[in-house]
Amino acid sequence: NAGVTQTPKFRILKIGQSMTLQCAQDMNHNYMYWYRQDPGMGLKLIYYSVGAGITDKGEVPNGYNVSRSTTEDFPLRLELAAPSQTSVYFCASSRGAVTEQYFGPGTRLTVT
Amino acid sequence: AQSVTQPDIHITVSEGASLELRCNYSYGATPYLFWYVQSPGQGLQLLLKYFSGDTLVQGIKGFEAEFKRSQSSFNLRKPSVHWSDAAEYFCAVGGSGATNKLIFGTGTLLAVQP
Repeated sequence: NAGVTQTPKFRILKIGQSMTLQCAQDMNHNYMYWYRQDPGMGLKLIYYSVGAGITDKGEVPNGYNVSRSTTEDFPLRLELAAPSQTSVYFCASSRGAVTEQYFGPGTRLTVT
Repeated sequence: AQSVTQPDIHITVSEGASLELRCNYSYGATPYLFWYVQSPGQGLQLLLKYFSGDTLVQGIKGFEAEFKRSQSSFNLRKPSVHWSDAAEYFCAVGGSGATNKLIFGTGTLLAVQP
């Protein structure tokens, strides 16, 4: 049982490039989330999903897109990378509503 | 507006001393409260949670927290800190809505002196 896995661990992008951050969970959780963590700011919710085919915006969705075609996977897409997207990105999952979230190890992204 | 405040950005304690990390929340409905810990370069690990019932909850690694509705607080405590407790601690609040969205505080960085 690997829990929540994220790839890559580190990535450096040039301004304007695009990339996809991968997230997978093997706990058969319905709910999945993407957060970004900036120093001194805590975690901010980017997008979330309550099941395959269902996604919705969180607090800071601009510049990102998501899809959820399977229960296991929840990729996050950056289309035109900007320096403001330099951050650490965490994926999380939970069984459902009113349950704890389980976090992946994070992806550290630098945009220069 | 819903929010979580962790007033202490950075705390230093001596090994073996007691610890209390503060968390205050603002939430319109019945809150569900969590404490997570993040070691350097790692993801977040759940320490403990409060959903209902006994307002004093026990977690992993010897931590406990007390929910005080009248003070809108959920402070984290440990009677004797170990050097391995050095990490960043996040308080989070969620509600009974179907989305299970969490609002996180900005974190408290704990340093432990030998």
